[in-house]
Amino acid sequence: NAGVTQTPKFRILKIGQSMTLQCTQDMNHNYMYWYRQDPGMGLKLIYYSVGAGITDKGEVPNGYNVSRSTTEDFPLRLELAAPSQTSVYFCASRNAGPDGTQYFGPGTRLLVL
Amino acid sequence: GNSVTQMEGPVTLSEEAFLTINCTYTATGYPSLFWYVQYPGEGLQLLLKATKADDKGSNKGFEATYRKETTSFHLEKGSVQVSDSAVYFCALSPSNDYKLSFGAGTTVTVRA
Repeated sequence: NAGVTQTPKFRILKIGQSMTLQCTQDMNHNYMYWYRQDPGMGLKLIYYSVGAGITDKGEVPNGYNVSRSTTEDFPLRLELAAPSQTSVYFCASRNAGPDGTQYFGPGTRLLVL
Repeated sequence: GNSVTQMEGPVTLSEEAFLTINCTYTATGYPSLFWYVQYPGEGLQLLLKATKADDKGSNKGFEATYRKETTSFHLEKGSVQVSDSAVYFCALSPSNDYKLSFGAGTTVTVRA
């Protein structure tokens, strides 16, 4: 059981470039989330989704876009990379029940120069 | 709104010392409470959880009790090991929402 997988593990971007961070879960979870973690800081929610075709903004959505065409996949798109987007990005998922536990991927480290 | 406040670090301990990390929360209703652990270079892993008042979560020698009267969920371990060196996050999941609210994290370093 792979759980939540993310690709790539590490990427260097130049200012103004675009990229997509991939996230896939194999637990048939309805809810999926994208967070960013800046050095020495906690996690900030970027976007989340409660099911295929449904997405919503979190605390820090500016500069990012998401889509959710399937239950399994929740890609995060950076259109015009900026140095402020240098961070570690985590994807997470959970089921729709009352438990509340989120399961996290290993993260993608992004450096924008 | 919902929020989590946890003890600021960093915390440095010797092996076999007692560890406690304070966590208090603000929320309406009856949230579920969690402790996540992040080992160096890895993602977050669920350490333990409690879903109702007076529940005690435990795992890997760590314990935390859901105290509604003091709105707290303090993490404790009686004898830490070097392998417990990590960042620990307290979090809550409101009963009427699907998002987690995280504390800022506490970095713990255990020296041999």
